[in-house]
Amino acid sequence: GDSVTQMEGPVTLSEEAFLTINCTYTATGYPSLFWYVQYPGEGLQLLLKATKADDKGSNKGFEATYRKETTSFHLEKGSVQVSDSAVYFCARGSARQLTFGSGTQLTVLP
Amino acid sequence: GAVVSQHPSRVICKSGTSVKIECRSLDFQATTMFWYRQFPKKSLMLMATSNEGSKATYEQGVEKDKFLINHASLTLSTLTVTSAHPEDSSFYICSARDSRGTRSLLDEQFFGPGTRLTVL
Repeated sequence: GDSVTQMEGPVTLSEEAFLTINCTYTATGYPSLFWYVQYPGEGLQLLLKATKADDKGSNKGFEATYRKETTSFHLEKGSVQVSDSAVYFCARGSARQLTFGSGTQLTVLP
Repeated sequence: GAVVSQHPSRVICKSGTSVKIECRSLDFQATTMFWYRQFPKKSLMLMATSNEGSKATYEQGVEKDKFLINHASLTLSTLTVTSAHPEDSSFYICSARDSRGTRSLLDEQFFGPGTRLTVL
């Protein structure tokens, strides 16, 4: 079945460090790919998305490129801030449902 | 953007009582809504898919008689936890899909802020 494998956390970085969170997905069909962010005590918010191969989603300094050849959608940010501390979920969309990765806890220290 | 609300945001109840959680799409129509459960430091677990005007589709292992879902209109779905027990304590999150996909992808979901249920 559909699945998403996400880098396990937790990840702890200093402010202004470079961030990468790895995500790979099963290649059946032509899924849309998403990154969601969840701040403490809140629901999920869409961070960015990509609908087809080579698309780059970007938002708030975060980027992810839909790589069909490696079935990956890695999340990157060049310079993280304390306010980026949250849990990040990679997800794969299909007509039926979203399939989530296990989530990666990010803590950014001042 | 598309907004989904949930009510209540927090609820504390006694064991054996029933609790209803509402999920509303505020500015779009949603023929399909989803109910998730999230355990601490865990990913979201899809409980059921709620279809307007028809019965919900439950995921394997989810008791449909315990978690009653009603999707009476294009903007409202409710989840009722019946005869709640402490092990039902969790964070319940709903999401909705824009039926016409006019402002989003057809497979994109918009999430509510979640409901924290605590059963004493």
